[in-house]
Amino acid sequence: EVHLEESGGGLVQPGGSLRLSCVASGFTFSSNAMSWVRQAPGKGLEWVSTISGSVGSTYYADSVKGRFTISRDNSKNTLYLQMNSLRAEDTAVYYCAKERGAVALAIDFWGQGTLVTVSS
Amino acid sequence: QSVLTQPPSVSEAPRQRVTISCSGSSSNIGNNAVNWYQQLPGKAPQLLIYYDDLLPSGVSDRFSGSKSGTSASLAISGLQSEDEADYYCAAWDDSLNGRVFGGGTKLTVL
Repeated sequence: EVHLEESGGGLVQPGGSLRLSCVASGFTFSSNAMSWVRQAPGKGLEWVSTISGSVGSTYYADSVKGRFTISRDNSKNTLYLQMNSLRAEDTAVYYCAKERGAVALAIDFWGQGTLVTVSS
Repeated sequence: QSVLTQPPSVSEAPRQRVTISCSGSSSNIGNNAVNWYQQLPGKAPQLLIYYDDLLPSGVSDRFSGSKSGTSASLAISGLQSEDEADYYCAAWDDSLNGRVFGGGTKLTVL
């Protein structure tokens, strides 16, 4: 059974940094692309970033490019999102998501999410 | 303003059929697979339809997807109260080199 568990969310001041982690189980982690998707309070889904399964190619939404970094440790079955220069508009629930294959064709499983609040 | 356009809300009576549209462009829906997600209140999204019209195992066959040109649709037949949720379409966008979501459609079962 696929399981994704996010951690690392919390309250951070504007301009601060936070690192999210997502521990995966129930599938061959290194074979699948992984993504982060966020949802601001009362708003819709917004794709944040994707990292491919094998080569580790990375893709970012324009809204986070240059500030966020996605990475993975296949030996630990763990996905990361390093978030720097955080802004109030980054406040959201951040979901870790598994892609169906080695590239971003379809998210087929989502974690339960971790809340990031950027506020002074 | 989302790249993919969905109606903000739809409503229909129980046991009836409803469709939710998703309009895009040649750089996203017109050239890439469309996926649909259901988000129940307070829950994480779940995959409903992938690769335009395929049903994941465990998803009811009351749900179906279709695509034509730069538009896609999600149809739900035999509406039940438990179908009340937010529904999102998504696709990769070649121009943005990233995934785009629709703004979401809130389904109310009257």
